[in-house]
Amino acid sequence: NAGVTQTPKFRILKIGQSMTLQCTQDMNHNYMYWYRQDPGMGLKLIYYSVGAGITDKGEVPNGYNVSRSTTEDFPLRLELAAPSQTSVYFCASTLGPLGEQYFGPGTRLTVT
Amino acid sequence: LAKTTQPISMDSYEGQEVNITCSHNNIATNDYITWYQQFPSQGPRFIIQGYKTKVTNEVASLFIPADRKSSTLSLPRVSLSDTAVYYCLVGDDYKLSFGAGTTVTVRA
Repeated sequence: NAGVTQTPKFRILKIGQSMTLQCTQDMNHNYMYWYRQDPGMGLKLIYYSVGAGITDKGEVPNGYNVSRSTTEDFPLRLELAAPSQTSVYFCASTLGPLGEQYFGPGTRLTVT
Repeated sequence: LAKTTQPISMDSYEGQEVNITCSHNNIATNDYITWYQQFPSQGPRFIIQGYKTKVTNEVASLFIPADRKSSTLSLPRVSLSDTAVYYCLVGDDYKLSFGAGTTVTVRA
């Protein structure tokens, strides 16, 4: 199993540009999550999904959108990039609600 | 979500046991306690989870007193590769909160 994969690893965006961060898991997990981590800080939950077709907001959803059309994929969309969205983004998945979260390697995004 | 408090940083030496205590005074009846480890430039990795008393696995032990208002992660005989940030999470579902964590530095 590859586990949780994320692409791209790095990206530089200009203010106002859009992009999609890709996340795929091959463990048949129902629950998937997107976090952001600012330097020296913990992780903040952006969006989560409890299954295909079901998504909900986390702690910091503004400026982001998600979709979950399949069990495997959970892309995160930034529509109008802002400098405040400069961060490292982690995708994670779990089989159940309290299960061990498996994290991807992260995407380092810089908005200038 | 229960609020957690843990030390910002801890120093240790190779071969020593490291104990990190997390306070969670307002833990709810259904809440579990989970610990994660994060190395620089990597996503967090699950270490251990427990509800009460003691849980042990191949890498760590988790001690939870009867009142469950705190918990202690114990890392036996640490090595340089255990230098990382350790997070204590408390909750009863998937919406867990990662605070700033405890930075553990292991020296030779």
